[in-house]
Parts: sequence; C-alpha cells; structure tokens
Amino acid sequence: GQSLEQPSEVTAVEGAIVQINCTYQTSGFYGLSWYQQHDGGAPTFLSYNALDGLEETGRFSSFLSRSDSYGYLLLQELQMKDSASYFCAGTAGNKLTFGGGTRVLVKP
Amino acid sequence: DAGVIQSPRHEVTEMGQEVTLRCKPISGHNSLFWYRQTMMRGLELLIYFNNNVPIDDSGMPEDRFSAKMPNASFSTLKIQPSEPRDSAVYFCASSLGPRQGGGNQPQHFGDGTRLSIL
Repeated sequence: GQSLEQPSEVTAVEGAIVQINCTYQTSGFYGLSWYQQHDGGAPTFLSYNALDGLEETGRFSSFLSRSDSYGYLLLQELQMKDSASYFCAGTAGNKLTFGGGTRVLVKP
Repeated sequence: DAGVIQSPRHEVTEMGQEVTLRCKPISGHNSLFWYRQTMMRGLELLIYFNNNVPIDDSGMPEDRFSAKMPNASFSTLKIQPSEPRDSAVYFCASSLGPRQGGGNQPQHFGDGTRLSIL
C-alpha cells in the first residue's frame, strides 16, 4: 500500500511563494501527481512527475526525488484564487492514493 | 467537451434506504474511478474499472456497497441499506488508460454527489 504525508495548512500573502512538501511510503510507486480542490469543488489535475527533477507549468512547479521518497509543489506569485486544498497522490499501476491535503490560505 | 457527469448533485435520505449514484465518464476514457471524501478520512478510492471491468474494489467499505459499469458510458455506485456514516461527497473520475511503462493518466473528476443519510 501507500501512505503520503503533507502539511495540513499553509498561509501566505499575495505575491509570495509557497512550497508544499509531500513524503511517501509506497510499494510499486510509479510517480507523484498533484491535484487542486477549491472549497465545494472537485479535484483538478495540476501536474505529474514520473522522473526525478522539476516540472514547470506556469506559476506552478512540481519536483520529485525518488531516492528521498519526497516531492513538492511550488506555487509562485500567489494569487487570491490559489486559495484551495492541494493534494499529492502516489501512483501505483492505474491507482491513485491521495495524501491528506494541504489547505493554502492566501491573504491580501 | 462535456466533462464527467454525476447525478444527483445532492441526495438526502433516511437511514436504511437504497441510494444509487450515477456517473457518465468522458467519452473515450476507458478507466473509471469512484472516490469518497470526508473530513475524517480524506479522499479514498472505493473501486476502479478498466474497460468496464472492475479491477480493484479493495476500497469498498463493506457488502452494502456495490458498483457496476454495464457499458463504457455509464456507471453506478449503490448503497443498500444506507447508514448515517455513509454521509460524504462521492466523486466519480475518468481517465485514459495507464501510461506505457506504468503510471496513470490525469484523472478528470465530476462535480460529486453530496450524500446525507439521516
């Protein structure tokens, strides 16, 4: 099975940079995904790392280190609309196992 | 393009009643997933199908829960009899099949069904 740990909450101001860490213990691990969920909404896909290193998509970047069983999501130039929960999810086969989620609160 | 469509959006029913949740995946997607989300347990995978065949139902809580996928465009999750502890948001998601070499494709979630069992 898999277990993924991430902080429960992060608060930052507009324009700041936030890093959400995710550590995992897993068997059959293929890669790490990140999903965003606004209150009352559905999770939406942000990024997927299968290989070690950094993947950049606009203001968001995701990093994976397989040797450290660790990854992170970097949110840059924070905007109010980035206030949401962010989930890391480990991939084993075609299954996702989600971490508990990190609630990001962006203040003016 | 239409996304994943779930119905109903909200359901309130009394304990002991049968509940049926419905899902229409994105056309062309051959993997379908049912999740349950609660504050206490987070986002849990209940069951997933590949090409309409159930692949892993290890997350299904107990025999009161059942899921079917009679064709590529429709799936149901049924709870019978329902209990108050089943109250949660139930999400359906779909994706293309697994990536070559392992790993999965991005999953597209429906808006969810908010289920309250009184």
